[in-house]
Amino acid sequence: DAKTTQPTSMDCAEGRAANLPCNHSTISGNEYVYWYRQIHSQGPQYIIHGLKNNETNEMASLIITEDRKSSTLILPHATLRDTAVYYCIVRPGGGDAGNMLTFGGGTRLMVKP
Amino acid sequence: NAGVTQTPKFRVLKTGQSMTLLCAQDMNHEYMYWYRQDPGMGLRLIHYSVGEGTTAKGEVPDGYNVSRLKKQNFLLGLESAAPSQTSVYFCASSYLGSQPQHFGDGTRLSIL
Repeated sequence: DAKTTQPTSMDCAEGRAANLPCNHSTISGNEYVYWYRQIHSQGPQYIIHGLKNNETNEMASLIITEDRKSSTLILPHATLRDTAVYYCIVRPGGGDAGNMLTFGGGTRLMVKP
Repeated sequence: NAGVTQTPKFRVLKTGQSMTLLCAQDMNHEYMYWYRQDPGMGLRLIHYSVGEGTTAKGEVPDGYNVSRLKKQNFLLGLESAAPSQTSVYFCASSYLGSQPQHFGDGTRLSIL
């Protein structure tokens, strides 16, 4: 499975956009990019995922570069409740190998007033 | 709609004791998973199930057993607890293996 590289920590001002980068230079053609976040002491929460097109939902936007070697998660108007560890995960689209989510260290996002 | 519910939320065991962690989901999901998370680290997959009556090993299965007798429940057992199994255990479920996983809020287990 492709590995991901994320910054260890980031700060963001409340109300501003938070842009969280992820490098996945060894991603394969059938692998999706998933984003989860974990707020302190809670279980991980699914945010968004994509294959090659940009995606948007009520929580965030996912921008994937044309060569698919990197992506950016965008929280358009960060709030204090968005303070969490954000995990970028690459996983196959199907088969048993797709069952496993491989969590790395993630990015600790601190949203400040 | 409760989603994924884990019981108990906290537990302290002595070395050598046994216990079972229960995970229940009400979303009619086929797939269920057990992960552990050690301090400052990401989650690691212990075992998973692709349907009622089936189980499979994940990344760190040693010392654990699982059962999926009913579609909505996935049990994680520790036959002889060891201090190295002190961790936070998360259960998750998904409709299919390729679909996003939904997580419970965890069971915090300490083994003395």
